[in-house]
Amino acid sequence: GQQLNQSPQSMFIQEGEDVSMNCTSSSIFNTWLWYKQDPGEGPVLLIALYKAGELTSNGRLTAQFGITRKDSFLNISASIPSDVGIYFCAGMPGYGNKLVFGAGTILRVKS
Amino acid sequence: EAGVVQSPRYKIIEKKQPVAFWCNPISGHNTLYWYRQNLGQGPELLIRYENEEAVDDSQLPKDRFSAERLKGVDSTLKIQPAELGDSAVYLCASETARGLAGVNEQFFGPGTRLTVL
Repeated sequence: GQQLNQSPQSMFIQEGEDVSMNCTSSSIFNTWLWYKQDPGEGPVLLIALYKAGELTSNGRLTAQFGITRKDSFLNISASIPSDVGIYFCAGMPGYGNKLVFGAGTILRVKS
Repeated sequence: EAGVVQSPRYKIIEKKQPVAFWCNPISGHNTLYWYRQNLGQGPELLIRYENEEAVDDSQLPKDRFSAERLKGVDSTLKIQPAELGDSAVYLCASETARGLAGVNEQFFGPGTRLTVL
């Protein structure tokens, strides 16, 4: 089936640093989504991207839908302790199709 | 507004026992999903409902898994009998009817963490 390769697997950064993570696929996706999951909770949507090349921000978060439609990245600027969690990319290969999730990036922030 | 409610939050059973999970979606959300999330992985879709109809159950292991959403509101997911490999977090999500763009936000519940011994 379709798979998303998410990297890095984990990051341990200093508070205030910027963070970048990305997701790639061997096939085209029409929608890219970025979620954050806290321990014991379900994923929460951070940013949704619907067009190739689209760059969208949500506060300190910025995400882009790659031109090839096979990749996306998420940047977090000036990280804070509450950014700790697992970040998942998810793609939808076609309109109305199911979501495919990456394996997640574990983010730890040292204050 | 209340979010997606799931119960129980945790369940520990011995292998070969049956287990059931319950989900109450956000009021008015027609679409309901069950996902399985293995440790260190992202969620994987098991089944999708549009109202009371299962429209995508291609990844549901039907030999031991079953699901129902009889009145198009809350839903149950059952495993019988459970195996060691079924240990995972089972997430329920709901969303409103898809708009013209074909995409709406899925709201996830907190999940049920199942441990099979």
